[in-house]
Amino acid sequence: GEDVEQSLFLSVREGDSSVINCTYTDSSSTYLYWYKQEPGAGLQLLTYIFSNMDMKQDQRLTVLLNKKDKHLSLRIADTQTGDSAIYFCAEIPSGNTPLVFGKGTRLSVIA
Amino acid sequence: IAGITQAPTSQILAAGRRMTLRCTQDMRHNAMYWYRQDLGLGLRLIHYSNTAGTTGKGEVPDGYSVSRANTDDFPLTLASAVPSQTSVYFCASSDSGGGYTFGSGTRLTVV
Repeated sequence: GEDVEQSLFLSVREGDSSVINCTYTDSSSTYLYWYKQEPGAGLQLLTYIFSNMDMKQDQRLTVLLNKKDKHLSLRIADTQTGDSAIYFCAEIPSGNTPLVFGKGTRLSVIA
Repeated sequence: IAGITQAPTSQILAAGRRMTLRCTQDMRHNAMYWYRQDLGLGLRLIHYSNTAGTTGKGEVPDGYSVSRANTDDFPLTLASAVPSQTSVYFCASSDSGGGYTFGSGTRLTVV
């Protein structure tokens, strides 16, 4: 079955880069996503990548996809205190199957 | 209405009571979903519907039921609430291109 794994915590200093990692098990995944959730708020789509891409960059965000190792990462450059949140990796395993989420990585940014 | 509307925003419910969480979308998306979010467990799929008139079970369906009488509405019913159903519930819908839209969530406390 589908399984998405991510580490639960990450702490970085303001101005440094953050790298949040995710592994998934379904090799037929079509779309992979990163969502951000601030305290008490809903889910905000940060970025996504199609399975036929290796990298996607959007301002401070860089997504890397290694299909061979089923590994997805999100790099946040120049991390700010406003980036403190929980980040969820998610995948659509195949076709019409619903989105499967990881447990989320809580990013703490130290000023 | 823009996107997905969930109601109520929060609720305290006595154990054993019946409760329906409402979800309405105005985007004419075929597919809709209910997830629950618990600390350290991420978002887990309860039920989903790929199109009006059809529903399917997710990862944690026990104690919940859904119906999809039309495209816009996807209510989630707890027939007899138990404390373990204390959670934040998110409704979502998706378009044919894999784009998901999430509601703001319903915070439910069963006492």
